[in-house]
Amino acid sequence: GQQVMQIPQYQHVQEGEDFTTYCNSSTTLSNIQWYKQRPGGHPVFLIQLVKSGEVKKQKRLTFQFGEAKKNSSLHITATQTTDVGTYFCAGEGYSEFGNEKLTFGTGTRLTIIP
Amino acid sequence: EAGVAQSPRYKIIEKRQSVAFWCNPISGHATLYWYQQILGQGPKLLIQFQNNGVVDDSQLPKDRFSAERLKGVDSTLKIQPAKLEDSAVYLCASRPNRDTGELFFGEGSRLTVL
Repeated sequence: GQQVMQIPQYQHVQEGEDFTTYCNSSTTLSNIQWYKQRPGGHPVFLIQLVKSGEVKKQKRLTFQFGEAKKNSSLHITATQTTDVGTYFCAGEGYSEFGNEKLTFGTGTRLTIIP
Repeated sequence: EAGVAQSPRYKIIEKRQSVAFWCNPISGHATLYWYQQILGQGPKLLIQFQNNGVVDDSQLPKDRFSAERLKGVDSTLKIQPAKLEDSAVYLCASRPNRDTGELFFGEGSRLTVL
């Protein structure tokens, strides 16, 4: 079945440094979504990418969808303490049963050193 | 707009006991998901409903887990009998329709099996 992997698993950065997490799917996706989960909280939607090669920005966050629609990245510029949490990508693709299925990645946990 | 409601928030049971979790999605959302999130991992899809029909339950351990959404609104997830490895947060999510945008998550139900 579809698998979605993320690297790195953990990232510790000094406040003000940049952060990047990478997401790779075993199958071609129809779209990819990104979620942020604060410690003790639930996943909260950040963005959805649909088109091959698409790039979207939200303030200090930049999201990219690969040309082959199998990989994606999230880059945060000049991290702040409010960026702490685990970032998940979630790839939507067709399952072996023919339905669209949203599969979450393994996540990257970001901690900030003040 | 009210969010996704889940109960109970916390539950502690002994192995071999049973437990039930309830979810009320956002009004009008046709698609409802149950995810299992084990500590340190990404959410894993257990079952997806479209109205009151099951779209995907391929990863639901059917010998012990069951779920229903009889009237196409709220849903119940049951575990009977529970095992130690079922300790996790059970997340309910909904969206207006499948294939359309973000998932809205509830706060989750944290299960500890002793």
